[in-house]
Formats: sequence, structure tokens, C-alpha cells
Amino acid sequence: AQSVTQLDSHVSVSEGTPVLLRCNYSSSYSPSLFWYVQHPNKGLQLLLKYTSAATLVKGINGFEAEFKKSETSFHLTKPSAHMSDAAEYFCVVTGFGGATNKLIFGTGTLLAVQP
Amino acid sequence: GAVVSQHPSRVICKSGTSVKIECRSLDFQATTMFWYRQFPKQSLMLMATSNEGSKATYEQGVEKDKFLINHASLTLSTLTVTSAHPEDSSFYICSASRGGSYNSPLHFGNGTRLTVT
Repeated sequence: AQSVTQLDSHVSVSEGTPVLLRCNYSSSYSPSLFWYVQHPNKGLQLLLKYTSAATLVKGINGFEAEFKKSETSFHLTKPSAHMSDAAEYFCVVTGFGGATNKLIFGTGTLLAVQP
Repeated sequence: GAVVSQHPSRVICKSGTSVKIECRSLDFQATTMFWYRQFPKQSLMLMATSNEGSKATYEQGVEKDKFLINHASLTLSTLTVTSAHPEDSSFYICSASRGGSYNSPLHFGNGTRLTVT
């Protein structure tokens, strides 16, 4: 079965310091993985996606993630946090067969950025 | 870029009434749209897959008679919460896929905050 585990429910960083949001996945086949960001009372915005091409994926707003099959991880990073990065982040894996209609969401990581 | 519009963004209704939420794909045709529900401080749970011109496919545990989904056109899907109760209060989000492949990106609406009093 497909699943994702976001290891931290809350992460707090200072502005200008690196961000690391952790995600581990479980999949019975080669998965597609995504990171979405959700600002309060807003929908979800796609940050980046991995679809079996390059293992290091660059996304919007300076975020990137590296797919590590040996570690079944897809951690999200950013070299320098900005106040506007404060939001909830979801790691997502496609469901059985890779269909996008069976997205499986992690429980989310709330990122706080301190001035 | 592709945009999915969801309306209303917020709605407050009395217990026992019905509420309709609309999800529109503004610049592309979406044969399939998806409805998610998000409880406070929790993740999104897929409720149902809305298929244009046919019946929606509901996830296990979702009451199809309570959450009526209609996908009458390639750009519009509606979710009606019938006889709403306070426990239906939640954040509902729709999404649509421009293409049909598993690789097609999903575009999400901004969500609807439903409060049932």
C-alpha cells in the first residue's frame, strides 16, 4: 500500500536559516511524489514533483527535494527561509497505479518562520 | 496557467439545510474532478471522484446520499452537503486535472470553509 509519513508536525526556523521538512514514503511500485503548500484558509499550491526523472527536483520559491530510493525519503529543503514561507506543507504520493485521482496526503508539517 | 475556482469560499448554514459548493476549471476542460475534506489541523482526505457525465465514485466511508456530487459539464462539478449537521463543518477542497495521464498535475481550488450551526 502507498503511504507517506511526515516526521514533524511542526518545524520552526529563523528567517534566513535553512529549512528541512522530512517525508518518508512507502510504495509497492515506483511512485510519483509531490510537495504542496497550503497557506491559511487557502487551497493547495504545487511546489514540486518527482516523476522518475531527475532525483533532485527543483520547485518554486527556492524549494527543492531529493528522491532517495534507498532511504525511501523525499525531504523538502530550502537554503534560506523567508517569512512568506510560513505555511503548512504536505508530502503527497500517488495511489495505486500512479493515478492522480488517488493522491495520498501526509499529515502535514506546519512551518513557522521567526523574524 | 490553469486555474480552478471554488465558490463560495465561506458558508455558514443552519443544521438541517443543504449547501452547494461549486468547483470550476476556468481555462481547461476537466473530465475528472476530485473532492477532498480537511478537518482542522489534519490532512486532506479524498471524498470522491467526480466524473463528467457519469456517477461519482465515492471513497469508503463517505455517504453518497449526504454528499451529492454532480459533474454536468467539463468545467463544473458541484458538491451538495444535504441536511447538514455540525459534524459536517469542515474545509472542502476540489481539484481538477487537465490531462488524463497519471502524470497530469492537479490544480486545487481555494477551498470552502463550511460551518454548520
